Amino acid sequence: DTGVSQNPRHKITKRGQNVTFRCDPISEHNRLYWYRQTLGQGPEFLTYFQNEAQLEKSRLLSDRFSAERPKGSFSTLEIQRTEQGDSAMYLCASSPRDRDEKLFFGSGTQLSVL
Amino acid sequence: QKEVEQNSGPLSVPEGAIASLNCTYSDRGSQSFFWYRQYSGKSPELIMFIYSNGDKEDGRFTAQLNKASQYVSLLIRDSQPSDSATYLCAVSTGFQKLVFGTGTRLLVSP
Repeated sequence: DTGVSQNPRHKITKRGQNVTFRCDPISEHNRLYWYRQTLGQGPEFLTYFQNEAQLEKSRLLSDRFSAERPKGSFSTLEIQRTEQGDSAMYLCASSPRDRDEKLFFGSGTQLSVL
Repeated sequence: QKEVEQNSGPLSVPEGAIASLNCTYSDRGSQSFFWYRQYSGKSPELIMFIYSNGDKEDGRFTAQLNKASQYVSLLIRDSQPSDSATYLCAVSTGFQKLVFGTGTRLLVSP
């Protein structure tokens, strides 16, 4: 296992469409995070899971966003009714232990909403 | 006030010089501090972490933490053109999520 894997790498969609991204964390990492990054900004926290439990969601995350991590393995992030403002890099990260805050990021999914 | 503040740069240094990158944070309860390097179009890569006041060295990198001043810095000795990237400071308050600054762009000229 070489690292966090994200698919797709790029996604172009039209406004109003739904999109889903997938993240496969490093094996045995029980924490999984989703961040969003726009040009010139640092990554912005969206949500995180410990195993299959979603422990926190950012107040910035609208109800159009939903994330799941069934069985505590891979995770999906779905955006419904996409808007142009959703265009960003969506980053997934995992960390190895409950109290270890070192995050290891995947390559990200670049979303463009036209 | 932003939780984690960094000068966006660019910080320009000649090859072989010391690059000094700075970060301040607002939450006095912050416990863990991280530096990530991000090349253009790539994802962040962890390069240093520090938990206690003082210095921590790893190869050409030194992280410095001063909790009283709420200040953390990263020194890069013998800077190389391959060090040219954006450096992100990240802070955790113990709730096990990281808050990132906007990053400082470093340019190392040959």
